[in-house]
Amino acid sequence: GDSVTQMEGPVTLSEEACLTINCTYTATGYPSLFWYVQYPGEGLQLLLKATKADDKGSNKGFEATYRKETTSFHLEKGSVQVSDSAVYFCALSVNYGQNFVFGPGTRLSVLP
Amino acid sequence: DVKVTQSSRYLVKRTGEKVFLECVQDMDHENMFWYRQDPGLGLRLIYFSYDVKMKEKGDIPEGYSVSREKKERFSLILESASTNQTSMYLCASSPPRENYGYTFGSGTRLTVV
Repeated sequence: GDSVTQMEGPVTLSEEACLTINCTYTATGYPSLFWYVQYPGEGLQLLLKATKADDKGSNKGFEATYRKETTSFHLEKGSVQVSDSAVYFCALSVNYGQNFVFGPGTRLSVLP
Repeated sequence: DVKVTQSSRYLVKRTGEKVFLECVQDMDHENMFWYRQDPGLGLRLIYFSYDVKMKEKGDIPEGYSVSREKKERFSLILESASTNQTSMYLCASSPPRENYGYTFGSGTRLTVV
């Protein structure tokens, strides 16, 4: 079946450090790929997405590139801020949005 | 601004009570979902619905039921609340397109005492 694997963390970084959160997937069809972010006490918010191979999604300084050959969608940011502290979920969607699979989430803590 | 609204942010209920969690979306989405989120277990799908009056069991439906009488509203019902149902409950909706993604509500943190 479809699945998403991501590093579970927690990841602790100093402010202005570089961030990479790895995400790989397996899917029977051609998925769309997403990163969601969950701030403390809140629901999940869409951070970025990519719908076909080699697409790059970007938002708020975060980027991720859809790599079909390596079935990956790693999340990157060049300089993290304390306000980026949250849980990040990688996810995929197939079958007209009716089958949405989430990774386990990666908790990021950014220290001042 | 389009959104998914969950009726309560925090709820405290007693064991054995019947509990209703309400979710309303204003985006005319066909698909709606209920998840629970627990530390170390990630998001687990309880029930989902692709249309009015239809429902499908997710991965952990035991102890729950749902109702979707109108397209915009999807209710989660705990028939007889138990302490192991203490959790964060998340509602989401989406149109029938795989490239759209989910829109989530803010969540309801339910404590059963």
